[in-house]
Amino acid sequence: DAMVIQNPRYQVTQFGKPVTLSCSQTLNHNVMYWYQQKSSQAPKLLFHYYDKDFNNEADTPDNFQSRRPNTSFCFLDIRSPGLGDAAMYLCATSRAGRGSDEQFFGPGTRLTVL
Amino acid sequence: AQKITQTQPGMFVQEKEAVTLDCTYDTSDQSYGLFWYKQPSSGEMIFLIYQGSYDEQNATEGRYSLNFQKARKSANLVISASQLGDSAMYFCAMRDNTGGFKTIFGAGTRLFVKA
Repeated sequence: DAMVIQNPRYQVTQFGKPVTLSCSQTLNHNVMYWYQQKSSQAPKLLFHYYDKDFNNEADTPDNFQSRRPNTSFCFLDIRSPGLGDAAMYLCATSRAGRGSDEQFFGPGTRLTVL
Repeated sequence: AQKITQTQPGMFVQEKEAVTLDCTYDTSDQSYGLFWYKQPSSGEMIFLIYQGSYDEQNATEGRYSLNFQKARKSANLVISASQLGDSAMYFCAMRDNTGGFKTIFGAGTRLFVKA
């Protein structure tokens, strides 16, 4: 089945230790997104890629970076995680061109910062 | 600026009954899309239903229907014949249709279905 896969599902890191979260998709969608979702809150968009074009949200901290080496894969790098970065990180994809295109989400990676 | 408001932090419904989850939105755009997503405790967001701002008919998908009242800027989700598996967090979301990709989510409503 076509899907969005995130690895790992759970990630524990130490304060200040860089961490990379991975997302892959078999849907061949043009757009890939990274969201941060803290407990009992709405998902917050960090950035998205439209093909190779990177779009950063204005309020996304510089501590968060992303890479999309090809259509299928997208990575979220947190350069120096702080305690406030503990959250669920959701990857999503969508086709491009129509506003009605829904987003397909992966299962998320829950990040714990010690 | 666009904004989504979900005023019900939590809702209870008896199994097999219908429930309405409220959503109001604010936008100056003429063309936009409204979405509802379900998030079970496992964490994955699941798309439920979509309504376009120019759609004249209310959207329906199985047991889900969207009560769209454009003048009131509301897009309430109606779940008919609730099932225990419907217990989850529900998010209303909006995206403009001008080519942008940003989707704004509401704070969510947690639905509890009682046996």
